[in-house]
Amino acid sequence: DAGVTQSPTHLIKTRGQQVTLRCSPISGHKSVSWYQQVLGQGPQFIFQYYEKEERGRGNFPDRFSARQFPNYSSELNVNALLLGDSALYLCASSITGPLSYEQYFGPGTRLTVT
Amino acid sequence: AQTVTQSQPEMSVQEAETVTLSCTYDTSESDYYLFWYKQPPSRQMILVIRQEAYKQQNATENRFSVNFQKAAKSFSLKISDSQLGDAAMYFCAYRSGPYGGSQGNLIFGKGTKLSVKP
Repeated sequence: DAGVTQSPTHLIKTRGQQVTLRCSPISGHKSVSWYQQVLGQGPQFIFQYYEKEERGRGNFPDRFSARQFPNYSSELNVNALLLGDSALYLCASSITGPLSYEQYFGPGTRLTVT
Repeated sequence: AQTVTQSQPEMSVQEAETVTLSCTYDTSESDYYLFWYKQPPSRQMILVIRQEAYKQQNATENRFSVNFQKAAKSFSLKISDSQLGDAAMYFCAYRSGPYGGSQGNLIFGKGTKLSVKP
């Protein structure tokens, strides 16, 4: 079975631009979470979606938004990019809701803002 | 708010030997879960081991085991018979229980980079 997939793998954007990152969960998983991992740090929680509804939001500005589609895939959007948004963005899926034991992570999207 | 602290930025172990990675956490919750994740250079985060706070018995998964000290809020990972493939970043993570505040999202420490020498 395919694991969590994310696209694109790498992305280079300029300050002020907008970016969309995509995530496909493991088949049958209904919950998707997004994390930001700055170089040298642990991942930080951004959003969690379950059954197409936002179930949790981390301490990130309104420039960050996300949505989940009927097929449970998800997009993370970041507007007005800043240099500090450069990071590895991880998507994780779980089989049921936010309280699933295990989250399965994708390989991440490396975003570089210049 | 819950916090997770990993005080060892880097550790090194000889192949076939044992190494222990440290993790402490702070919480006022009584029901929670603790995890160790491994992130190899390929970046894919993989769950190594999980511990439920209500369980007194320490979790074990093959060569990986934990020492969970609830009163001390300590959760260390022991890797026995270390292998070259164990080289990676290791993250300790916390998650609230069903009635807790973090609603299922993981709170990570900064990680420990483990090197394995042949």
